[in-house]
Amino acid sequence: GENVEQHPSTLSVQEGDSAVIKCTYSDSASNYFPWYKQELGKGPQLIIDIRSNVGEKKDQRIAVTLNKTAKHFSLHITETQPEDSAVYFCAASQFNNAGNMLTFGGGTRLMVKP
Amino acid sequence: DTAVSQTPKYLVTQMGNDKSIKCEQNLGHDTMYWYKQDSKKFLKIMFSYNNKELIINETVPNRFSPKSPDKAHLNLHINSLELGDSAVYFCASSPRRGGGEAYEQYFGPGTRLTVT
Repeated sequence: GENVEQHPSTLSVQEGDSAVIKCTYSDSASNYFPWYKQELGKGPQLIIDIRSNVGEKKDQRIAVTLNKTAKHFSLHITETQPEDSAVYFCAASQFNNAGNMLTFGGGTRLMVKP
Repeated sequence: DTAVSQTPKYLVTQMGNDKSIKCEQNLGHDTMYWYKQDSKKFLKIMFSYNNKELIINETVPNRFSPKSPDKAHLNLHINSLELGDSAVYFCASSPRRGGGEAYEQYFGPGTRLTVT
């Protein structure tokens, strides 16, 4: 089955700096890669996703890049703000008979210091 | 206007009891899921359910049984609760299954289950 590894497990940045979180996946058949933000006591919130036919996607301060050959993808947050502090999860999925059940990375706790 | 809702938010019970968690989505989605998040925040799929088709994750004990009375609801029933079942359980839904593409999933707020 799919295995997703995520690094770093914790990341502390100063407000205004950029943050980068990296993930690798094992199954070359995976073709959908979402990123989720989870705040304390809440459910994961989808913040951006990318499909395997695209190398990069951007939404305001958030961007995701995908390297299919190397089987890794990254989340980039620019001009970080204290409200960006949360746990971020990457995930990988492929459509098959089981639907598109997500395999998650272990999470990155991002702390943005004011 | 909550998209995916779960009840209860907190559930404290004793070992050996049977309990249920309810999930409802008002997004008109066809597929619903249950995920388990352990104490280390690791999220793992348990089940997916598309209309009347249930896909069971083989690592889930058969004490766990999802039930879907209709497309908008997917409840999770747990028999003979064990200490190791303590976790946060998340329901999620996605727009549709088909066309060969995976679709985005939206998560509920979670149910924190504590077994004593």
